[in-house]
Amino acid sequence: NAGVTQTPKFQVLKTGQSMTLQCAQDMNHNSMYWYRQDPGMGLRLIYYSASEGTTDKGEVPNGYNVSRLNKREFSLRLESAAPSQTSVYFCASRGQLLNTEAFFGQGTRLTVV
Amino acid sequence: AQSVTQLGSHVSVSEGALVLLRCNYSSSVPPYLFWYVQYPNQGLQLLLKYTTGATLVKGINGFEAEFKKSETSFHLTKPSAHMSDAAEYFCAVRSGGATNKLIFGTGTLLAVQP
Repeated sequence: NAGVTQTPKFQVLKTGQSMTLQCAQDMNHNSMYWYRQDPGMGLRLIYYSASEGTTDKGEVPNGYNVSRLNKREFSLRLESAAPSQTSVYFCASRGQLLNTEAFFGQGTRLTVV
Repeated sequence: AQSVTQLGSHVSVSEGALVLLRCNYSSSVPPYLFWYVQYPNQGLQLLLKYTTGATLVKGINGFEAEFKKSETSFHLTKPSAHMSDAAEYFCAVRSGGATNKLIFGTGTLLAVQP
């Protein structure tokens, strides 16, 4: 059982380049999330999708876009990367019940130079 | 709005000593609370969760947490630290309403000294 799979694991971009981070889950979860993790700041929510066909902004959405392609897949796009977007990005998914936990991917370490 | 505060960004204990990691929450609805652990270069893994019912919750690797409504706390403890417990620990609370989000604290990095 793969759980939540993120690709790529590592990426180096030049300022201004674009890229898409891919995420897929095989647990039939309705909700999916993209977080970024920076030292001393914990995990901050970028975007989330409460169900297939819907997406909403989180705490730090500027500079990002998302697509909920289907129930399994939720991608994060950086249209014009900036050094401030250097971070570790995590995708997560969660079931519908109030008491369920989120399951996380292994993360993507992105460096923008 | 729901939030969590983790006191102490770095905690250091000796092997065999008590581990206490603090988490206080703010919630306008009955809270659902979670503790996650992150080992170096890995994703987050659930340690334990409180939803309803018993206020003392047992998790994996010998960790437990007690939900105290009067203190709005959900502190994580382990009686005897092991070197393998060195990791970063995150407290989280479920947001209210239909958004179904998890709101995370800023994390506590636990170091275990031999």
